[in-house]
Amino acid sequence: IAGITQAPTSQILAAGRRMTLRCTQDMRHNAMYWYRQDLGLGLRLIHYSNTAGTTGKGEVPDGYSVSRANTDDFPLTLASAVPSQTSVYFCASSGWTGGRYGYTFGSGTRLTVV
Amino acid sequence: LAKTTQPISMDSYEGQEVNITCSHNNIATNDYITWYQQFPSQGPRFIIQGYKTKVTNEVASLFIPADRKSSTLSLPRVSLSDTAVYYCLVGDEGSGTYKYIFGTGTRLKVLA
Repeated sequence: IAGITQAPTSQILAAGRRMTLRCTQDMRHNAMYWYRQDLGLGLRLIHYSNTAGTTGKGEVPDGYSVSRANTDDFPLTLASAVPSQTSVYFCASSGWTGGRYGYTFGSGTRLTVV
Repeated sequence: LAKTTQPISMDSYEGQEVNITCSHNNIATNDYITWYQQFPSQGPRFIIQGYKTKVTNEVASLFIPADRKSSTLSLPRVSLSDTAVYYCLVGDEGSGTYKYIFGTGTRLKVLA
């Protein structure tokens, strides 16, 4: 089934550790995104990529970095995790799917920084 | 980027029609209006999209007035499983450069 695959599904991470959240899509969408969603709140854009080889900053980019070496993969790295980065992280892509243009989201990665 | 405003929360009873209105006063000519639904612990999923007038699919209807400064998502005969957060988004999705700002959405609670 075409879509977004995120890994891991959940993780408990010690503060100060480095962590990479993985995101892969099989829809050949050009644009990809990373959002974080804190408990009971809306989604906030961290970083985005309009096409392979380019990235941009969203609303809350500090403490995060991304890369887009190819169309399918868009990893998110926390260089030195802090407790305030405890959140659910969603990867998404946008493009034509099923006859309409819009977002497709992954199932999320639940990250707890202790 | 077009900013959207929608109610923070709504309650309804099973079997009722629910209408959620979104304001987007600075919508641009090329912008489409898209609604997403998010259940707890899941990513948002597409519900419906439109540019003007009325759009209907198997899940919902979307009403857009002529000035396009607002839109209304209509959910017919809601059930408990429609309890979710609904997001209204506006943007030129085909431009390839658009990045969505989701906001807080409308939290719909359907009561038995």
